[in-house]
Amino acid sequence: DTGVSQDPRHKITKRGQNVTFRCDPISEHNRLYWYRQTLGQGPEFLTYFQNEAQLEKSRLLSDRFSAERPKGSFSTLEIQRTEQGDSAMYLCASRLAGPNTGELFFGEGSRLTVL
Amino acid sequence: GQQVMQIPQYQHVQEGEDFTTYCNSSTTLSNIQWYKQRPGGHPVFLIQLVKSGEVKKQKRLTFQFGEAKKNSSLHITATQTTDVGTYFCAGIYNQGGKLIFGQGTELSVKP
Repeated sequence: DTGVSQDPRHKITKRGQNVTFRCDPISEHNRLYWYRQTLGQGPEFLTYFQNEAQLEKSRLLSDRFSAERPKGSFSTLEIQRTEQGDSAMYLCASRLAGPNTGELFFGEGSRLTVL
Repeated sequence: GQQVMQIPQYQHVQEGEDFTTYCNSSTTLSNIQWYKQRPGGHPVFLIQLVKSGEVKKQKRLTFQFGEAKKNSSLHITATQTTDVGTYFCAGIYNQGGKLIFGQGTELSVKP
């Protein structure tokens, strides 16, 4: 499968624990995005990368959230000291950078449940 | 600020009826995209609109971008049960920048 893959698909954790999600984009895509989605809402922008550079991070994102894309390929999203409000689907998407913003290809998502 | 509003939140129709969802931004968009998310699935790209007043069609789906590039609509003619899902618009304010998604319109179709 050459689509965007995310791991794990589901994660249940206790409040206060740290969690890390991984995203493998489509191989030739240099842009990578992280979104969060809760039930009945649209995807909420978290951050995005071009190659290994983090170009923008949402101001709504607390310092407990950090994302990396060390070699410009896969990316990780870490949430420290999780809270119940962090429970959501975390979506990763990728695309090719270009003069016009092209379509985003989304992964299946990583569902986080914080107890 | 950069915010995209979408209405209605839900739409229940009888199969064969038409459906429209509307998307609005307080500031001018660079371009707009539309996505469909099936229940339990992830968003899947439908189309991108770039030009002021642009209209694009995909079979029974018609997409419009307003003259001022602040609003957009998706119209489905003669809905089918396969159209069920949530439709999102996503606005782009800066070329090549992030997408800001609307809240989505959930469409249910009664056979």
